[in-house]
Amino acid sequence: EVQLQQSGPELRRPGSSVKLSCKASGYSITDYLMHWVKHRPEHGLEWIGWIDPEDGETKYAQKFQSKATLTADTSSNTAYMQLSSLTSEDTATYFCAPNTPFAYWGQGTLVTVSS
Amino acid sequence: DIVMTQSPSSLAVSAGETVTINCKSSQSLLYSGNQKNYLAWYQQKPGQSPKLLIYWASTRQSGVPDRFIGSGSGTDFTLTISSVQAEDLAIYYCQQYYDTPYTFGAGTKLELK
Repeated sequence: EVQLQQSGPELRRPGSSVKLSCKASGYSITDYLMHWVKHRPEHGLEWIGWIDPEDGETKYAQKFQSKATLTADTSSNTAYMQLSSLTSEDTATYFCAPNTPFAYWGQGTLVTVSS
Repeated sequence: DIVMTQSPSSLAVSAGETVTINCKSSQSLLYSGNQKNYLAWYQQKPGQSPKLLIYWASTRQSGVPDRFIGSGSGTDFTLTISSVQAEDLAIYYCQQYYDTPYTFGAGTKLELK
Protein backbone atom coordinates (compact mmCIF):
# COMPACT_ATOMS: atom_id res chain seq x y z
CA GLU A 1 0.00 0.00 0.00
CA VAL A 2 1.37 3.38 -1.01
CA GLN A 3 1.78 5.74 1.93
CA LEU A 4 3.39 9.15 2.18
CA GLN A 5 4.38 10.40 5.62
CA GLN A 6 5.13 14.09 5.76
CA SER A 7 7.01 15.93 8.49
CA GLY A 8 5.27 17.85 11.24
CA PRO A 9 4.04 21.45 11.39
CA GLU A 10 6.60 24.24 11.27
CA LEU A 11 6.63 27.76 12.65
CA ARG A 12 9.19 30.08 11.09
CA ARG A 13 10.15 33.75 11.19
CA PRO A 14 9.95 35.86 8.03
CA GLY A 15 13.15 35.65 6.03
CA SER A 16 14.08 32.20 7.27
CA SER A 17 13.86 28.87 5.46
CA VAL A 18 12.32 25.48 6.14
CA LYS A 19 12.86 21.96 4.81
CA LEU A 20 9.91 19.60 4.59
CA SER A 21 10.10 15.86 4.13
CA CYS A 22 7.89 13.25 2.50
CA LYS A 23 8.79 9.63 3.26
CA ALA A 24 7.28 7.11 0.88
CA SER A 25 6.47 3.51 1.65
CA GLY A 26 4.86 0.78 -0.40
CA TYR A 27 6.79 1.73 -3.50
CA SER A 28 10.18 3.06 -4.58
CA ILE A 29 10.28 6.83 -5.04
CA THR A 30 12.41 6.26 -8.15
CA ASP A 31 9.34 4.74 -9.83
CA TYR A 32 7.54 8.08 -10.23
CA LEU A 33 8.06 11.79 -10.29
CA MET A 34 7.27 13.36 -6.93
CA HIS A 35 5.12 16.47 -7.03
CA TRP A 36 4.54 19.14 -4.41
CA VAL A 37 1.36 21.16 -4.05
CA LYS A 38 0.59 24.26 -1.96
CA HIS A 39 -2.80 24.78 -0.35
CA ARG A 40 -4.15 27.95 1.14
CA PRO A 41 -7.88 27.92 1.86
CA GLU A 42 -8.45 31.30 0.22
CA HIS A 43 -6.26 30.49 -2.80
CA GLY A 44 -6.97 26.84 -3.47
CA LEU A 45 -4.35 24.42 -4.76
CA GLU A 46 -1.15 25.38 -6.56
CA TRP A 47 1.30 23.02 -8.18
CA ILE A 48 4.85 23.83 -7.11
CA GLY A 49 6.91 21.41 -9.14
CA TRP A 50 8.24 17.90 -9.50
CA ILE A 51 11.44 16.00 -8.95
CA ASP A 52 12.54 12.82 -10.64
CA PRO A 53 14.18 10.98 -7.73
CA GLU A 54 15.95 8.70 -10.23
CA ASP A 55 18.29 11.43 -11.45
CA GLY A 56 17.39 14.55 -9.48
CA GLU A 57 15.90 16.40 -12.44
CA THR A 58 13.45 19.05 -11.33
CA LYS A 59 10.78 21.24 -12.86
CA TYR A 60 9.14 24.17 -11.12
CA ALA A 61 6.20 26.43 -11.72
CA GLN A 62 7.69 29.81 -12.55
CA LYS A 63 6.41 31.51 -9.41
CA PHE A 64 8.16 28.93 -7.23
CA GLN A 65 11.42 28.90 -9.19
CA SER A 66 13.26 30.97 -6.57
CA LYS A 67 11.18 29.86 -3.62
CA ALA A 68 11.29 26.05 -3.60
CA THR A 69 14.12 23.55 -3.95
CA LEU A 70 13.21 19.92 -4.44
CA THR A 71 15.56 17.09 -3.56
CA ALA A 72 15.31 13.37 -2.90
CA ASP A 73 17.22 10.71 -1.00
CA THR A 74 16.71 7.33 -2.62
CA SER A 75 18.44 5.51 0.24
CA SER A 76 15.69 6.59 2.64
CA ASN A 77 12.94 6.72 0.01
CA THR A 78 12.28 10.33 1.00
CA ALA A 79 11.61 13.50 -0.95
CA TYR A 80 12.31 16.96 0.41
CA MET A 81 11.24 20.50 -0.32
CA GLN A 82 13.09 23.52 1.00
CA LEU A 83 11.33 26.87 1.03
CA SER A 84 13.53 29.94 1.35
CA SER A 85 13.11 33.63 2.21
CA LEU A 86 9.80 32.90 3.87
CA THR A 87 7.05 35.51 3.96
CA SER A 88 3.47 35.45 5.19
CA GLU A 89 2.47 34.39 1.67
CA ASP A 90 4.22 31.08 2.30
CA THR A 91 1.90 30.25 5.21
CA ALA A 92 0.12 27.22 3.82
CA THR A 93 -0.20 23.46 3.92
CA TYR A 94 2.18 21.68 1.58
CA PHE A 95 1.46 18.26 0.12
CA CYS A 96 3.58 15.72 -1.70
CA ALA A 97 2.03 13.43 -4.31
CA PRO A 98 3.67 10.94 -6.68
CA ASN A 99 2.82 10.56 -10.35
CA THR A 100 -0.07 12.13 -12.23
CA PRO A 101 -2.91 12.26 -11.69
CA PHE A 102 -2.46 12.53 -7.93
CA ALA A 103 -4.02 9.35 -6.61
CA TYR A 104 -1.92 9.37 -3.46
CA TRP A 105 -1.19 12.35 -1.21
CA GLY A 106 0.76 12.91 1.94
CA GLN A 107 -1.18 14.21 4.92
CA GLY A 108 0.28 17.66 4.42
CA THR A 109 2.65 19.85 6.42
CA LEU A 110 1.40 23.16 7.78
CA VAL A 111 3.99 25.91 7.56
CA THR A 112 3.23 29.08 9.49
CA VAL A 113 5.36 32.16 8.88
CA SER A 114 4.97 34.73 11.61
CA SER A 115 7.10 37.16 13.56
CA ASP B 1 0.12 28.44 -18.58
CA ILE B 2 -3.20 26.63 -19.00
CA VAL B 3 -5.90 28.49 -17.09
CA MET B 4 -8.65 26.40 -15.50
CA THR B 5 -11.92 28.24 -14.96
CA GLN B 6 -14.34 26.53 -12.63
CA SER B 7 -17.98 27.44 -12.00
CA PRO B 8 -19.84 28.00 -9.85
CA SER B 9 -17.55 28.96 -6.97
CA SER B 10 -20.13 27.68 -4.49
CA LEU B 11 -23.30 25.65 -4.61
CA ALA B 12 -25.95 25.18 -1.93
CA VAL B 13 -27.76 21.90 -2.24
CA SER B 14 -30.20 19.66 -0.44
CA ALA B 15 -29.52 15.98 0.08
CA GLY B 16 -30.75 13.96 -2.87
CA GLU B 17 -30.28 16.71 -5.45
CA THR B 18 -28.12 16.37 -8.54
CA VAL B 19 -25.40 18.97 -9.00
CA THR B 20 -23.16 19.94 -11.88
CA ILE B 21 -19.77 21.60 -11.64
CA ASN B 22 -18.16 23.03 -14.75
CA CYS B 23 -14.51 23.38 -15.66
CA LYS B 24 -13.14 25.10 -18.74
CA SER B 25 -9.51 25.03 -19.83
CA SER B 26 -7.83 27.78 -21.84
CA GLN B 27 -6.50 25.19 -24.28
CA SER B 28 -7.43 21.67 -25.28
CA LEU B 29 -6.51 18.90 -22.87
CA LEU B 30 -7.07 16.21 -25.49
CA TYR B 31 -3.84 14.60 -26.55
CA SER B 32 -4.13 13.32 -30.12
CA GLY B 33 -1.56 10.58 -29.54
CA ASN B 34 -3.85 8.59 -27.25
CA GLN B 35 -7.19 10.44 -27.47
CA LYS B 36 -7.16 11.02 -23.73
CA ASN B 37 -8.16 14.18 -21.92
CA TYR B 38 -5.63 15.06 -19.22
CA LEU B 39 -8.23 16.30 -16.75
CA ALA B 40 -8.81 15.17 -13.16
CA TRP B 41 -11.33 16.01 -10.43
CA TYR B 42 -10.51 16.07 -6.72
CA GLN B 43 -12.59 16.35 -3.57
CA GLN B 44 -11.14 18.07 -0.52
CA LYS B 45 -12.73 18.14 2.91
CA PRO B 46 -11.55 20.48 5.69
CA GLY B 47 -8.29 19.34 7.25
CA GLN B 48 -7.83 16.53 4.75
CA SER B 49 -5.70 15.88 1.71
CA PRO B 50 -7.43 16.11 -1.65
CA LYS B 51 -8.91 12.86 -2.91
CA LEU B 52 -8.80 11.85 -6.57
CA LEU B 53 -12.31 11.19 -7.88
CA ILE B 54 -12.00 11.17 -11.68
CA TYR B 55 -9.09 11.05 -14.13
CA TRP B 56 -8.86 11.05 -17.93
CA ALA B 57 -11.93 13.29 -17.60
CA SER B 58 -14.34 10.39 -17.11
CA THR B 59 -12.60 7.44 -15.44
CA ARG B 60 -13.72 6.95 -11.86
CA GLN B 61 -10.95 6.22 -9.37
CA SER B 62 -11.24 2.88 -7.61
CA GLY B 63 -13.61 3.06 -4.65
CA VAL B 64 -15.34 6.27 -5.76
CA PRO B 65 -19.15 5.94 -5.72
CA ASP B 66 -20.81 5.79 -9.11
CA ARG B 67 -22.87 8.89 -8.32
CA PHE B 68 -19.75 10.84 -9.32
CA ILE B 69 -19.63 11.18 -13.09
CA GLY B 70 -17.06 13.04 -15.15
CA SER B 71 -17.68 14.08 -18.71
CA GLY B 72 -16.44 16.42 -21.42
CA SER B 73 -13.58 16.68 -23.85
CA GLY B 74 -11.22 19.24 -25.28
CA THR B 75 -11.73 22.37 -23.22
CA ASP B 76 -15.09 21.83 -21.51
CA PHE B 77 -15.61 19.41 -18.67
CA THR B 78 -18.28 18.61 -16.10
CA LEU B 79 -18.46 16.80 -12.79
CA THR B 80 -21.95 15.60 -11.98
CA ILE B 81 -22.88 14.35 -8.54
CA SER B 82 -26.20 12.60 -8.55
CA SER B 83 -28.26 12.26 -5.39
CA VAL B 84 -25.89 14.34 -3.24
CA GLN B 85 -25.26 12.97 0.21
CA ALA B 86 -24.13 14.82 3.34
CA GLU B 87 -20.69 13.20 3.05
CA ASP B 88 -20.23 14.90 -0.35
CA LEU B 89 -20.05 18.37 1.20
CA ALA B 90 -16.55 19.49 0.31
CA ILE B 91 -14.59 21.62 -2.15
CA TYR B 92 -14.16 20.18 -5.62
CA TYR B 93 -11.24 21.05 -7.88
CA CYS B 94 -10.51 20.27 -11.49
CA GLN B 95 -6.89 19.96 -12.56
CA GLN B 96 -5.15 19.66 -15.89
CA TYR B 97 -2.11 17.42 -16.10
CA TYR B 98 -1.59 17.96 -19.82
CA ASP B 99 1.30 20.33 -19.42
CA THR B 100 3.32 21.92 -16.65
CA PRO B 101 2.54 23.90 -14.60
CA TYR B 102 -0.24 21.49 -13.68
CA THR B 103 -2.94 24.02 -12.88
CA PHE B 104 -6.06 23.67 -10.76
CA GLY B 105 -9.40 25.37 -10.97
CA ALA B 106 -10.25 27.75 -8.13
CA GLY B 107 -12.60 25.21 -6.57
CA THR B 108 -16.33 24.77 -6.04
CA LYS B 109 -17.60 24.64 -2.50
CA LEU B 110 -20.58 22.36 -2.06
CA GLU B 111 -22.68 23.41 0.92
CA LEU B 112 -25.94 22.38 2.52
CA LYS B 113 -28.99 24.46 1.67
